[in-house]
Amino acid sequence: AQKITQTQPGMFVQEKEAVTLDCTYDTSDQSYGLFWYKQPSSGEMIFLIYQGSYDEQNATEGRYSLNFQKARKSANLVISASQLGDSAMYFCAMRGGFQGAQKLVFGQGTRLTINP
Amino acid sequence: KAGVTQTPRYLIKTRGQQVTLSCSPISGHRSVSWYQQTPGQGLQFLFEYFSETQRNKGNFPGRFSGRQFSNSRSEMNVSTLELGDSALYLCASSMDPSYQETQYFGPGTRLLVL
Repeated sequence: AQKITQTQPGMFVQEKEAVTLDCTYDTSDQSYGLFWYKQPSSGEMIFLIYQGSYDEQNATEGRYSLNFQKARKSANLVISASQLGDSAMYFCAMRGGFQGAQKLVFGQGTRLTINP
Repeated sequence: KAGVTQTPRYLIKTRGQQVTLSCSPISGHRSVSWYQQTPGQGLQFLFEYFSETQRNKGNFPGRFSGRQFSNSRSEMNVSTLELGDSALYLCASSMDPSYQETQYFGPGTRLLVL
């Protein structure tokens, strides 16, 4: 079975600071994908970044980067130079293997609040 | 390219009624997945369709069902609604059900059961 753990229910950060959101995962699959989504209060899930299990480089997308440590089964999201608009729920998710690749397994999320 | 669309956006029903939610995927996407989001249980997978076939189903009662049409549009149906079915229902689409494919989500349908 696949499992995602996000240990930070809430985080408060000053605007323009960098922030790291933690994510650890558990799976017996060799092939899997790790994803981060942002969910503002409107409810829509916005895709941020993807990391494949065989990718040797950490993924980056603009201000977002994923700190992938495969041996530790860790996939932390780093947001550089945070902005007020970054305030939202953030979910780490994985999609793995072949039998289970149809679904995303989500963590419980981290509520990020950016203070001016 | 237009994103995933879901209709209706908001819905109020009473216990015992049934409801049908609709999802139109991104053009060219053939895989559609449905998720239920509640404050208590978080995001839970309902089912996934690919080429009109249900490929995977989550741990939900048979009152929850779905289908996919030849144009990849999908519907989900919940019969005999219960108070606990109140949730945000999210639809997501991807090119195919590979672990490398990103699922893109629609805005969701907020269902309130009274």
